[in-house]
Amino acid sequence: GAVVSQHPSRVICKSGTSVKIECRSLDFQATTMFWYRQFPKQSLMLMATSNEGSKATYEQGVEKDKFLINHASLTLSTLTVTSAHPEDSSFYICSARDAGGREETQYFGPGTRLLVL
Amino acid sequence: GQSLEQPSEVTAVEGAIVQINCTYQTSGFYGLSWYQQHDGGAPTFLSYNALDGLEETGRFSSFLSRSDSYGYLLLQELQMKDSASYFCAVSSGGYQKVTFGIGTKLQVIP
Repeated sequence: GAVVSQHPSRVICKSGTSVKIECRSLDFQATTMFWYRQFPKQSLMLMATSNEGSKATYEQGVEKDKFLINHASLTLSTLTVTSAHPEDSSFYICSARDAGGREETQYFGPGTRLLVL
Repeated sequence: GQSLEQPSEVTAVEGAIVQINCTYQTSGFYGLSWYQQHDGGAPTFLSYNALDGLEETGRFSSFLSRSDSYGYLLLQELQMKDSASYFCAVSSGGYQKVTFGIGTKLQVIP
């Protein structure tokens, strides 16, 4: 089946620094990728929808200047958490929709655990 | 906006059948999906219903009633490894974005 990778899987950083998370579709082209965050024992909250070659669509309440999303190619989207603070510590998960596959299926990456000290 | 309701926790016995219900409110509805997530892992896709009726995939089945804005996931012949959180999710809007419910934590006991 389709595989989505994320890098890094885990990152610890100091408050005020920026962290970049990569999301790659390994064996398919993804015109649309989604970024979610998940707090412990809670649901996945959609942060933004990323479309290749265009600006991301952010959900209400998500600061686009803090969470920079770039979908530069059909297989890569990046999320940069700028000037990270402890409250940004969370599990960040991306998903990708196969451009040539079933429209309803999203393939999730393994997630990135971010801890901001 | 979108809202979904599902039970927060369910406990069932190994070998039994369990049904997890989900009701939703949304505009621009495309379909209802179900995902499984084990602790510490990423969600994995289980099923998708765009039309009314029952979809069966092995031990798992999913049902949708669009007129009632209601669906359920049915797990048969429960196994210990089925202990996980199960999320219903609606696809809606132009990009068919997926909005997740709060998740139902299923505990399978011997």
